[in-house]
Amino acid sequence: ETGVTQSPTHLIKTRGQQVTLRCSSQSGHNTVSWYQQALGQGPQFIFQYYREEENGRGNFPPRFSGLQFPNYSSELNVNALELDDSALYLCASSLNQGSYNEQFFGPGTRLTVL
Amino acid sequence: QKEVEQNSGPLSVPEGAIASLNCTYSDRGSQSFFWYRQYSGKSPELIMSIYSNGDKEDGRFTAQLNKASQYVSLLIRDSQPSDSATYLCAVNPVLYSGYSTLTFGKGTMLLVSP
Repeated sequence: ETGVTQSPTHLIKTRGQQVTLRCSSQSGHNTVSWYQQALGQGPQFIFQYYREEENGRGNFPPRFSGLQFPNYSSELNVNALELDDSALYLCASSLNQGSYNEQFFGPGTRLTVL
Repeated sequence: QKEVEQNSGPLSVPEGAIASLNCTYSDRGSQSFFWYRQYSGKSPELIMSIYSNGDKEDGRFTAQLNKASQYVSLLIRDSQPSDSATYLCAVNPVLYSGYSTLTFGKGTMLLVSP
């Protein structure tokens, strides 16, 4: 059974640029959630995708957007990058969307905005 | 604002001792609770989930839940230096009970000395 994978591992961008991060969910999981983790903080929920639809969103501006594909892999897009967007971006997959479903994290993408 | 509070630590224990990690949450209707372990520079790893009041044991780990007191704890018996990590408490807030988003605490750093 393959776990959650993310690419790239590290990324350096400059302010104002756009970035796309990718995630492949664990085999059999149809739900993907994205989190942002700043240094010294716990992960913060960005949004969740279930069967290709966004079904929940945290307190992040619209320049954070995403997609989920028919194979349940997902992308996180961030436009007009700001310095404060520098963080570890985590993708988590779960078997389903319900509240009792455990979420399993990928290795993360470390984004640095200069 | 739904909150999850943890003592940031570090919590220092000698090898072989019991480490006790605590977490309180503000959303009284929360239904699912999780403990993640995060090594420095790595992504969170799920170690325990608990949904009902009482204790749940898995190997050296015991999770305890008291919904009346809005309190979750994690006990690690026979602590090993390899247990040294940041432990994140995560709660599924009732507002989002239809889907599995998580609100995290900032984490407690555990240091186990040989």
